[in-house]
Amino acid sequence: EAQVTQNPRYLITVTGKKLTVTCSQNMNHEYMSWYRQDPGLGLRQIYYSMNVEVTDKGDVPEGYKVSRKEKRNFPLILESPSPNQTSLYFCASSPHGAAQPQHFGDGTRLSIL
Amino acid sequence: RKEVEQDPGPFNVPEGATVAFNCTYSNSASQSFFWYRQDCRKEPKLLMSVYSSGNEDGRFTAQLNRASQYISLLIRDSKLSDSATYLCVVNQNAGKSTFGDGTTLTVKP
Repeated sequence: EAQVTQNPRYLITVTGKKLTVTCSQNMNHEYMSWYRQDPGLGLRQIYYSMNVEVTDKGDVPEGYKVSRKEKRNFPLILESPSPNQTSLYFCASSPHGAAQPQHFGDGTRLSIL
Repeated sequence: RKEVEQDPGPFNVPEGATVAFNCTYSNSASQSFFWYRQDCRKEPKLLMSVYSSGNEDGRFTAQLNRASQYISLLIRDSKLSDSATYLCVVNQNAGKSTFGDGTTLTVKP
């Protein structure tokens, strides 16, 4: 089954404790992207990757890091999480960029205390 | 001003009604456009791509007006199952993707 898999689905943690949210897709897509969604708002793009070893900032990259060492994986790293990073996070992928429809993971609910 | 702005919701309509949403964008160089549907903070799912020539899929019609810089979504004969949040997406280049804040639709019996 074609899918985008995020882990964990839910996480409650404390300020300053480094965490990684993993994202993996099995569709051989070149493009992957991370978004956060806060109440009453649409999705805001954090980082995106056009292909392996190519990453770019989205609209809200501060406090986040990403890497794209393999085509299928695009982890989101919070080196020193803060409460304002409490949010619902989505990973997405598409065959060749944002001009094509994106397939989304189920989401990760992060709470940072 | 936001790059992408959607009609403020919520829209509450009876079953069978026709409802239309608009979404305006500020960057005239925007290249691609979509409508997604999101249920109760679950993952967004593609509803339709949007083209200048228009795009129809059953009860749903999407239009793009480049001159006025807006996209629209028309839902005819609304069903209870159409209740959701509808997100417009505007892409400025190959990688950057901007979502609207969403419009909530509730279809009532």
